[in-house]
Amino acid sequence: KAGVTQTPRYLIKTRGQQVTLSCSPISGHRSVSWYQQTPGQGLQFLFEYFSETQRNKGNFPGRFSGRQFSNSRSEMNVSTLELGDSALYLCASSLQGIPDTQYFGPGTRLTVL
Amino acid sequence: DQQVKQNSPSLSVQEGRISILNCDYTNSMFDYFLWYKKYPAEGPTFLISISSIKDKNEDGRFTVFLNKSAKHLSLHIVPSQPGDSAVYFCAASVDNAGNMLTFGGGTRLMVKP
Repeated sequence: KAGVTQTPRYLIKTRGQQVTLSCSPISGHRSVSWYQQTPGQGLQFLFEYFSETQRNKGNFPGRFSGRQFSNSRSEMNVSTLELGDSALYLCASSLQGIPDTQYFGPGTRLTVL
Repeated sequence: DQQVKQNSPSLSVQEGRISILNCDYTNSMFDYFLWYKKYPAEGPTFLISISSIKDKNEDGRFTVFLNKSAKHLSLHIVPSQPGDSAVYFCAASVDNAGNMLTFGGGTRLMVKP
């Protein structure tokens, strides 16, 4: 079974631009969660989508948004990029939710210059 | 306000000995706890979990202990192997909260041969 895939793996953008990251979950998984990992803040929950609906949302500004398609693939968008958005963005999928195990992708490393 | 804390940023252990990683939490609503291992350039990998109705869960060399009254959990690795060298994250979740995990800051474990 293929794992969680994320594209692109690396991305360099400049302040003010916007970016879209993609996540393909494990086949059959309906829940996709997004996390931001930075050295100072650790792993922080962004949001979770389940069956195309946002089910949970973390404490991030509205510049961070996402969506999920009918095939469970998910995209995350960040508009008006700031230097502090530089981070590793991780996507995780699971069948339905806790206690189902979340499987993480390798992440997208975003650098904002 | 960090709801999940790993107070030791790093831990060094000799191969064959026991590694004990600790985690404290403040939110009494948390009722499901997980440990993840992360290698550089990879996403976190699920290790072991425990529900709040238990105080111990064992899986091979990995055992997680939960002390609800102290709001403390620990991961024991016996015997430790050099391949266990990685960053370990504890995470917590509230029942019926989908897949929203709150992570600790991580502990870097180094197992010396």
